[in-house]
Amino acid sequence: KAGVTQTPRYLIKTRGQQVTLSCSPISGHRSVSWYQQTPGQGLQFLFEYFSETQRNKGNFPGRFSGRQFSNSRSEMNVSTLELGDSALYLCASSLLASGAAGEQFFGPGTRLTVL
Amino acid sequence: DAKTTQPPSMDCAEGRAANLPCNHSTISGNEYVYWYRQIHSQGPQYIIHGLKNNETNEMASLIITEDRKSSTLILPHATLRDTAVYYCIVKSNFGNEKLTFGTGTRLTIIP
Repeated sequence: KAGVTQTPRYLIKTRGQQVTLSCSPISGHRSVSWYQQTPGQGLQFLFEYFSETQRNKGNFPGRFSGRQFSNSRSEMNVSTLELGDSALYLCASSLLASGAAGEQFFGPGTRLTVL
Repeated sequence: DAKTTQPPSMDCAEGRAANLPCNHSTISGNEYVYWYRQIHSQGPQYIIHGLKNNETNEMASLIITEDRKSSTLILPHATLRDTAVYYCIVKSNFGNEKLTFGTGTRLTIIP
């Protein structure tokens, strides 16, 4: 079974631009969660989608948004990029919503650099 | 407030058992203990989880004390590929609680 895939793997943007990251979960998984990882703040939860509905949201500004499609693929968007948005963005999928189980499968991440 | 406390770093000789401790003194009755690890520049990897009984799988063993206030992850025969940051997470599987990663333990396997 194929794992979680994320595209692109690396991205360079400039301040003020916007970016869209994509995540394809493991086949059959309906939950997709997004995390941001930086050296200073560690792994921080952004949001979770389950069956196209946002179920949970972390403490991030409204510039960070996401959505999930009927095939469970998910995208996250960051608008008006800031230097501090430079991070590794990780996507994780699971069969059940994260509230019901804690076993998640992570993708390799997208490394975003904002110049 | 963090639900778990882990040592920031540990070393272990290759081929020996690596024992990673985790304190979770405020754990409640319906909260599980989960362990993940993150090898450099990769996404975290699920290892094992348990409620109150000891658990074993092909990767590791999880020993939870009887009072459930602490646990130990055991990698029975550590290899260089086990060098990673190990996260101990306490989480309920009822309601809408998400996984919350702390700072973890950086385990270095010494050849």
